[in-house]
Amino acid sequence: NAGVTQTPKFQVLKTGQSMTLQCAQDMNHNSMYWYRQDPGMGLRLIYYSASEGTTDKGEVPNGYNVSRLNKREFSLRLESAAPSQTSVYFCASTRQVRISGANVLTFGAGSRLTVL
Amino acid sequence: AQTVTQSQPEMSVQEAETVTLSCTYDTSENNYYLFWYKQPPSRQMILVIRQEAYKQQNATENRFSVNFQKAAKSFSLKISDSQLGDTAMYFCAFMNWASRLTFGEGTQLTVNP
Repeated sequence: NAGVTQTPKFQVLKTGQSMTLQCAQDMNHNSMYWYRQDPGMGLRLIYYSASEGTTDKGEVPNGYNVSRLNKREFSLRLESAAPSQTSVYFCASTRQVRISGANVLTFGAGSRLTVL
Repeated sequence: AQTVTQSQPEMSVQEAETVTLSCTYDTSENNYYLFWYKQPPSRQMILVIRQEAYKQQNATENRFSVNFQKAAKSFSLKISDSQLGDTAMYFCAFMNWASRLTFGEGTQLTVNP
């Protein structure tokens, strides 16, 4: 059982380049998330998808786009990378139901992105 | 919009002692979930404990317990009998009814031998 898989784990980009971070989960979760983590700022929500076919902006969506390709996959795209997007990115997923203890997020291992 | 505040960027404790990490949040919602996550140097996010807002009883998981004060919008984490392996960044998090999860800035906890 792989859980949440993110690729790539490391990436170095030049300013202006584009790239896509891939995320896949095999737990039949319906909600998926992308966060970025910067020193002293915790994890900030970029975008999330409460269910297949829907996406919503989080706290810091500018400069990013997302695609909920199917129930398993949720990708994050940087169309024109900027140094301010240097960060560690985390994908996460959860089963969205209204019962006790069912909304715990499972996180991927993180992707470290450096934009020069 | 919901916000989560952790006012202690760093804390330290001696091994075997007890430490409390603070967290406050702001929301207009009545039904929600609260969490504490731990992030060791490996960077993996690990759930420590969770609390449903509709439950008045404070959650407990072995050495970890919370003090949930709904009216005050406070959700502190108490770690008893601290161990060296508890050294990590700890994040408080709030989840609303739509499963949107918001994190605090984190508290770096160091357990000293």
